[in-house]
Amino acid sequence: ETGVTQSPTHLIKTRGQQVTLRCSSQSGHNTVSWYQQALGQGPQFIFQYYREEENGRGNFPPRFSGLQFPNYSSELNVNALELDDSALYLCASTVDYQETQYFGPGTRLLVL
Amino acid sequence: AQSVSQHNHHVILSEAASLELGCNYSYGGTVNLFWYVQYPGQHLQLLLKYFSGDPLVKGIKGFEAEFIKSKFSFNLRKPSVQWSDTAEYFCAVKHGGATNKLIFGTGTLLAVQP
Repeated sequence: ETGVTQSPTHLIKTRGQQVTLRCSSQSGHNTVSWYQQALGQGPQFIFQYYREEENGRGNFPPRFSGLQFPNYSSELNVNALELDDSALYLCASTVDYQETQYFGPGTRLLVL
Repeated sequence: AQSVSQHNHHVILSEAASLELGCNYSYGGTVNLFWYVQYPGQHLQLLLKYFSGDPLVKGIKGFEAEFIKSKFSFNLRKPSVQWSDTAEYFCAVKHGGATNKLIFGTGTLLAVQP
C-alpha cells in the first residue's frame, strides 16, 4: 500500500460529459501529479500541483484541469469528454520534489 | 521530444531463467532514472531508482539496474526470476528541476511460467 487512494475505481461516461476524479495523498505530501495511462501504454504526465498551484503541465488540452486542497486531496476534472479519454487515470504524490512518488491504484474511465 | 524506449513489449520466461529488460532514453542532461512494477491488480510500485553515484543500483526483490550514460541506457536485470515476478515493468525518466514529471516507456509485460 502506498497511502494514496483514488475514487471512484471505475466510471462510465458518455461523450461530451464532464467528470471529476479524486485523489487523497499521504499526509504531508504537498505535490501531486496526475497521469493518463491508455491501454497498452505507459502513463503520460497530465500536470502537477505544488502547494495548491499548477506548476507543470504535459501535452494535454485545457479541458483537463485540476485542483489541490490543503487537506492533501486533489481533483482531476475533464470537460467535454472524448472517446480517446478512456484510460486509467493515476495520481502520484510526494513531498516537494523528492525522488519517490507514491502512486494510487487509479480510476478507470470509459467514455462511450 | 524526450522519450523512453522499452524494446521488449512481451517477455516469457521459465522460472529460474535470467532476466534483462532494456530501457533507453533520449535526453542529454541530468536525469533521474526509475523502474516501476505493476503486479496484476496492484498499484505502480517503485522497484529501484538511480540519481547519482554507483551506476549499478539494487532494488527490491533481487532486481538491479545499470546506468550506462554513454549508451543512454538503464537496463533492468534479475539473475533468477520467479513466478511471482509476473507483472508489467515500466522504465521512467525524470529530468532535473522543480518538477516531478516522469516520462514513462510503454512497458514490458513479463510472464514467468512455473
